[in-house]
Amino acid sequence: SQKIEQNSEALNIQEGKTATLTCNYTNYSPAYLQWYRQDPGRGPVFLLLIRENEKEKRKERLKVTFDTTLKQSLFHITASQPADSATYLCALDANFNKFYFGSGTKLNVKP
Amino acid sequence: GAVVSQHPSWVICKSGTSVKIECRSLDFQATTMFWYRQFPKQSLMLMATSNEGSKATYEQGVEKDKFLINHASLTLSTLTVTSAHPEDSSFYICSAGKGAGTDTQYFGPGTRLTVL
Repeated sequence: SQKIEQNSEALNIQEGKTATLTCNYTNYSPAYLQWYRQDPGRGPVFLLLIRENEKEKRKERLKVTFDTTLKQSLFHITASQPADSATYLCALDANFNKFYFGSGTKLNVKP
Repeated sequence: GAVVSQHPSWVICKSGTSVKIECRSLDFQATTMFWYRQFPKQSLMLMATSNEGSKATYEQGVEKDKFLINHASLTLSTLTVTSAHPEDSSFYICSAGKGAGTDTQYFGPGTRLTVL
């Protein structure tokens, strides 16, 4: 069966450092992968999308990589700030625009 | 922009009653909307795909007679939890895309359902 794995343990980093979150998947061949941010009690907010033929995508302090051979995506936040503290979810498209989400990784950025 | 709203934002009901949750795309039309359920500290689990003008498509293990979905217009989908039980207590979130084949999904703020 399909599986999407994200580190279940919280990631604690110091303000100003780069946070790197991992998303691994099996039994999928997604055409694209997305990253979302979710704050407690709120719906997810779209951050970045990367397609299977793209190796890297950037948006301001965010960077996403997509390795279809390793079946892995890395999500980086450079110069992290306490306001970046949230849970980050990766999502893979199945078909018919259906998305399946990983369990999310909670990021804590300490001042 | 692309704004999706949900109503209500939270609801408490008695066991055995039915609860309707609305999902609206405020500034765009959505032929397809999705309903998710999220338990505490867990990820979003896709429940069903709501298709405007046709029957919803349910994920494996989701009871279609318990979770009734109606997508009556291009801006509104409703999820009705029938004969709710405490185990149905969860955070229900909908999402919508801007068009067929679109990539990005815009999520509603979620509805917290508590069944006593």
